[in-house]
Amino acid sequence: GESVGLHLPTLSVQEGDNSIINCAYSNSASDYFIWYKQESGKGPQFIIDIRSNMDKRQGQRVTVLLNKTVKHLSLQIAATQPGDSAVYFCAENTLKGQGAQKLVFGQGTRLTINP
Amino acid sequence: GAGVSQSPSNKVTEKGKDVELRCDPISGHTALYWYRQSLGQGLEFLIYFQGNSAPDKSGLPSDRFSAERTGGSVSTLTIQRTQQEDSAVYLCASSLTGGALGYTFGSGTRLTVV
Repeated sequence: GESVGLHLPTLSVQEGDNSIINCAYSNSASDYFIWYKQESGKGPQFIIDIRSNMDKRQGQRVTVLLNKTVKHLSLQIAATQPGDSAVYFCAENTLKGQGAQKLVFGQGTRLTINP
Repeated sequence: GAGVSQSPSNKVTEKGKDVELRCDPISGHTALYWYRQSLGQGLEFLIYFQGNSAPDKSGLPSDRFSAERTGGSVSTLTIQRTQQEDSAVYLCASSLTGGALGYTFGSGTRLTVV
């Protein structure tokens, strides 16, 4: 069945370094992918999305890369800050016309920024 | 309201009891989603509302789970005869028209069944 998963459950990096969080997906029909950040006690917060017809998209300090050949997605965070410590989820969506645009989420990676 | 509001934030209940979880979406958002997040896991889709109707209930794990939405606004997720495996964080999201890119999540209700 459909699944989205992450290679590593935890990741620790030094403040100021760059971090890369990976995600594998299995549904080649997915139309776009979203990265969410979830801080303790809060709901997931949208970070960035990428459509399936793109390879790369950049935001503020974040870059998402999509490799459709190997069904791999990554989130790069540049110059990490203490506030980046959180659990990061990738999610995939298959547009279904006017139907429910529900997301399939991965397990999540806990990112810890060390001072 | 300014965001999606869920209540209670925490709920501890005894096995076998019924519980009701409430979600107040952002005003004007027609689509409302319920997800469940077990410890250390990703989010599991439960049910989707467009207005007051639920075109997709495919994620409800058993007939002990039900949800309704009234007035195109507030939604209630009801779990009957709770079991320990129901312990999780229940998250609600709303979006203006149903598009997943426009999701705004609430902070969730942490349910613990003892």
